[in-house]
Amino acid sequence: AQTIHQWPVAEIKAVGSPLSLGCTIKGKSSPNLYWYWQATGGTLQQLFYSITVGQVESVVQLNLSASRPKDDQFILSTEKLLLSHSGFYLCAWSFQNTEVFFGKGTRLTVV
Amino acid sequence: GDSVTQTEGQVALSEEDFLTIHCNYSASGYPALFWYVQYPGEGPQFLFRASRDKEKGSSRGFEATYDKGTTSFHLRKASVQESDSAVYYCALNYNQGKLIFGQGTKLSIKP
Repeated sequence: AQTIHQWPVAEIKAVGSPLSLGCTIKGKSSPNLYWYWQATGGTLQQLFYSITVGQVESVVQLNLSASRPKDDQFILSTEKLLLSHSGFYLCAWSFQNTEVFFGKGTRLTVV
Repeated sequence: GDSVTQTEGQVALSEEDFLTIHCNYSASGYPALFWYVQYPGEGPQFLFRASRDKEKGSSRGFEATYDKGTTSFHLRKASVQESDSAVYYCALNYNQGKLIFGQGTKLSIKP
């Protein structure tokens, strides 16, 4: 069975500080990987997607970047956090254009 | 561009009531359509999907039928339970698993 693990579960960070969020997918080779962002009480906004190692496409510009260093790993980062980065970050995967499955998310609070 | 519209932002029902959440989409061709459910503090969970006109998806007593003519994929359940309280999202797949989500409908069930 496929599992998706996100880390950390929650973060409180200062404005201007760096950020790195990660996720790992086990049990599926070469999945499509995604990062989504959700403001409190808001809908889900896709940020990035990747169909293979080393290739990442940006969907929305939010002063964030993403990388896929390994087939099963997806990293979201920024060098300088803004207040507007607060929210719920979700990593997700799909395989061959089927349904998308989400991780448990990371709650980020920027203060 | 492609879009998904959920008419109801909030729905309040009593147990055993009939549920309808309206979802309309705008897209060319036959995009795959999805329903997801999200509980507080968790990532969205896949409920079901449909990919062809008149195809019915169903899970956990919920169902929806893909209607190309009215560009709709309305979620229905005959008898809701308190445990169904959550936020429900309609989504469409526009390219390689990249999803566009509706604004979400918060369902509250009174015991």
